[in-house]
Amino acid sequence: AQKVTQAQTEISVVEKEDVTLDCVYETRDTTYYLFWYKQPPSGELVFLIRRNSFDEQNEISGRYSWNFQKSTSSFNFTITASQVVDSAVYFCALAETQGGSEKLVFGKGMKLTVNP
Amino acid sequence: EPEVTQTPSHQVTQMGQEVILRCVPISNHLYFYWYRQILGQKVEFLVSFYNNEISEKSEIFDDQFSVERPDGSNFTLKIRSTKLEDSAMYFCASRRDTEIYGYTFGSGTRLTVV
Repeated sequence: AQKVTQAQTEISVVEKEDVTLDCVYETRDTTYYLFWYKQPPSGELVFLIRRNSFDEQNEISGRYSWNFQKSTSSFNFTITASQVVDSAVYFCALAETQGGSEKLVFGKGMKLTVNP
Repeated sequence: EPEVTQTPSHQVTQMGQEVILRCVPISNHLYFYWYRQILGQKVEFLVSFYNNEISEKSEIFDDQFSVERPDGSNFTLKIRSTKLEDSAMYFCASRRDTEIYGYTFGSGTRLTVV
């Protein structure tokens, strides 16, 4: 069965600090996809990134970067120079490709508060 | 950019009443989903729908729930007799066939059962 663990439940930082959100997953599939979503206080789910299991290249997008390591089944997300607008709940999610409808399995989420 | 549209954004209903949540997926998408998020908890898969039938459903999706694509554009989730524990945010999502993981989520409907 798929499982996504976000061990941190809540982090509070001061603006301009760097923060890393951890995500560890479990799957038996060799082909799968990993996602990060942001959920601001308004409640919608904002897509941040998708990564497939064959692509372990790290990715940077502005202040956001992602570190995918299959050896440790981790897909961590770093926000550099955090801003107040980054305050939100962040979800990591996993989708397997075999034998199903490619549903997403979400972690419990991590609430990030960035204080001015 | 194309969007998945959900209506209403917030619905309050009395326990035992039937409620229908509506979604308009992106027009060329073929796979449709409902997810649920109880306040303060994680997002959970309810059901997936493809080719006018349910392709997968979770344990949460019991006989109280049903889905329908009545007119080729709307995708609805019906809860027949709501319970207090059905209070949650309900998200609709859709994806294209060729972009298997190009999930697009709607902005959600917050259902409050009183």
